Amino acid sequence: IQLTQSPSSLSASVGDRVTITCRASQGISSYLAWYQQKPGKAPKLLIYAASTLQSGVPSRFSGSGSGTDFTLTISSLQPEDFATYYCQQLNSYPPTFGQGTKLEIK
Amino acid sequence: EVQLVESGGGLVQPGGSLRLSCAASGFTFSSYWMHWVRQAPGKGLVWVSRINSDGSSTSYADSVKGRFTISRDNAKNTLYLQMNSLRAEDTAVYYCARDRYYYGSGSYLADWGQGTLVTVSS
Repeated sequence: IQLTQSPSSLSASVGDRVTITCRASQGISSYLAWYQQKPGKAPKLLIYAASTLQSGVPSRFSGSGSGTDFTLTISSLQPEDFATYYCQQLNSYPPTFGQGTKLEIK
Repeated sequence: EVQLVESGGGLVQPGGSLRLSCAASGFTFSSYWMHWVRQAPGKGLVWVSRINSDGSSTSYADSVKGRFTISRDNAKNTLYLQMNSLRAEDTAVYYCARDRYYYGSGSYLADWGQGTLVTVSS
């Protein structure tokens, strides 16, 4: 299953609302996760099952979608949110990641 | 606190071998499936391999099948990745990750190590 994220990169300002999209090449129900990765660090699970916030993740992050189309939304960007975001499906083998969306400061 | 600590990375020549380890603590290691994920310099995340909780079942990405072997020692709370016939394109940071099953919601990589760099070059 191929996952295609858009955009590949995004420039935004602190306080902006941003949305990242992930499209699956075939239906994956709601079995989708979103990860955040900062330079030199391991990925961090933000959202699983398309819309469930991992414990400890700020509520400004939200996810939605099912089937083939998914979105990650950050309601009000904070300085620590500038990072690369990946979607992933793990429940159909082989597991696959999207190519990533780099969120940069405008 | 869940901790995953990778080791064993380094510089190796093409065609060489390397064994990575991932020491786990803070959870009942023998109850969880585990994965290896890699990231080439400046590139995205790529799944490599997974092993079930007792080590009886494994899966591999096509790119490493036949060259890499995942294993675990539940008595030592350690995950391994034996890498043979290494190629330049295997150069990457290798992460181990814990597969956590959320009832009714599927499996996800809830915890990750800090990664270990493998460089394949002559």
